[in-house]
Amino acid sequence: AQTVTQSQPEMSVQEAETVTLSCTYDTSESDYYLFWYKQPPSRQMILVIRQEAYKQQNATENRFSVNFQKAAKSFSLKISDSQLGDAAMYFCAWGAQKLVFGQGTRLTINP
Amino acid sequence: DVKVTQSSRYLVKRTGEKVFLECVQDMDHENMFWYRQDPGLGLRLIYFSYDVKMKEKGDIPEGYSVSREKKERFSLILESASTNQTSMYLCASSFLRGRDEQYFGPGTRLTVT
Repeated sequence: AQTVTQSQPEMSVQEAETVTLSCTYDTSESDYYLFWYKQPPSRQMILVIRQEAYKQQNATENRFSVNFQKAAKSFSLKISDSQLGDAAMYFCAWGAQKLVFGQGTRLTINP
Repeated sequence: DVKVTQSSRYLVKRTGEKVFLECVQDMDHENMFWYRQDPGLGLRLIYFSYDVKMKEKGDIPEGYSVSREKKERFSLILESASTNQTSMYLCASSFLRGRDEQYFGPGTRLTVT
């Protein structure tokens, strides 16, 4: 069975600085997708970024980028120039026929 | 914009009651999902549906059932609510299974007393 592990329950960063959230996963499948979702306080979960496993190039979306290491089964999220609006729960997820989520990392932005 | 709505934001029920959680999406998505979210456990898949009247068990289906009579509506049913079903319930929909972005509803925080 697939598992996703986020080993950092909480992280904090100063506004305008860079933070990296860690995620590792375990799977025997070769074709899958990886996702980072963001859940702001009392607001709906939204997709931050998606990575296709067969693509070696790391995905980027504005200030958000990933470091995808397929052999190591690692998929970390880097947030550059952190903003107050980035404060949220962040979930890493693995997907093929369904999504498997990690435990989540609560990110706090310090002004 | 895709919109996924859930019938209640907060719900309080008594042990043994039958509970219905409703979810509606407006993007003609084939796939719909029900998750429960608990601190330290992330989101866990209860059931999903890839077509009308079709359903598949997720990772934690025990104590739950689902109904999908129309494409846009996916209901989660707790046949006899128990206190260990107190949780946040999230509904989601997507065009493709697993590989596609899932769009989430706002969640229903269910308390069973």
